[in-house]
Amino acid sequence: QKEVEQDPGPLSVPEGAIVSLNCTYSNSAFQYFMWYRQYSRKGPELLMYTYSSGNKEDGRFTAQVDKSSKYISLFIRDSQPSDSATYLCAMNVGTDKLIFGTGTRLQVFP
Amino acid sequence: GAVVSQHPSWVICKSGTSVKIECRSLDFQATTMFWYRQFPKQSLMLMATSNEGSKATYEQGVEKDKFLINHASLTLSTLTVTSAHPEDSSFYICSAPGGQGGFEQYFGPGTRLTVT
Repeated sequence: QKEVEQDPGPLSVPEGAIVSLNCTYSNSAFQYFMWYRQYSRKGPELLMYTYSSGNKEDGRFTAQVDKSSKYISLFIRDSQPSDSATYLCAMNVGTDKLIFGTGTRLQVFP
Repeated sequence: GAVVSQHPSWVICKSGTSVKIECRSLDFQATTMFWYRQFPKQSLMLMATSNEGSKATYEQGVEKDKFLINHASLTLSTLTVTSAHPEDSSFYICSAPGGQGGFEQYFGPGTRLTVT
């Protein structure tokens, strides 16, 4: 079993839809949870980070962490074609190496 | 803030030659940097952890004599791919912990290496 599981997609949605991206993990020691967006042939861009369980909102993006279920989510409201990218979840115990999910490819069509 | 740069952004080299990739933290110091490689449509694979002033830590299966890492200062880490082969062609990305808590990681834009 991989430490972090993520549905690779691709996920195709119409513009304006609500998108839900999810990851599960097995290591209960993980404390920091991050979502990265990666456009083709570019480095990952940090979207949001969350410490421990809870919700965090930033504009159209909401990150949720449920440590009891070892499950994290990223919601994108009012999705735009410019949101089309690969979304990677990542997590770690502290200031050490990140463990990444495989990434979910998202396509938002007009 | 928390900007990481890489140079070059893309490079083509011949089989058997060596190529050096630089990773710089522009507005913060990084005692640790991470090197990843990424194949098309795949996730990032951690290759090694670069430690300023000491030896790098390599992940299992990564040849340390082939992928030389040097972290000579608090803002610069280099990855040298020695005796490059076509199968080394990939997208190489570095990252560095930053931010207020130090646990956020910021990635460089990546270097595309093509070995002919």
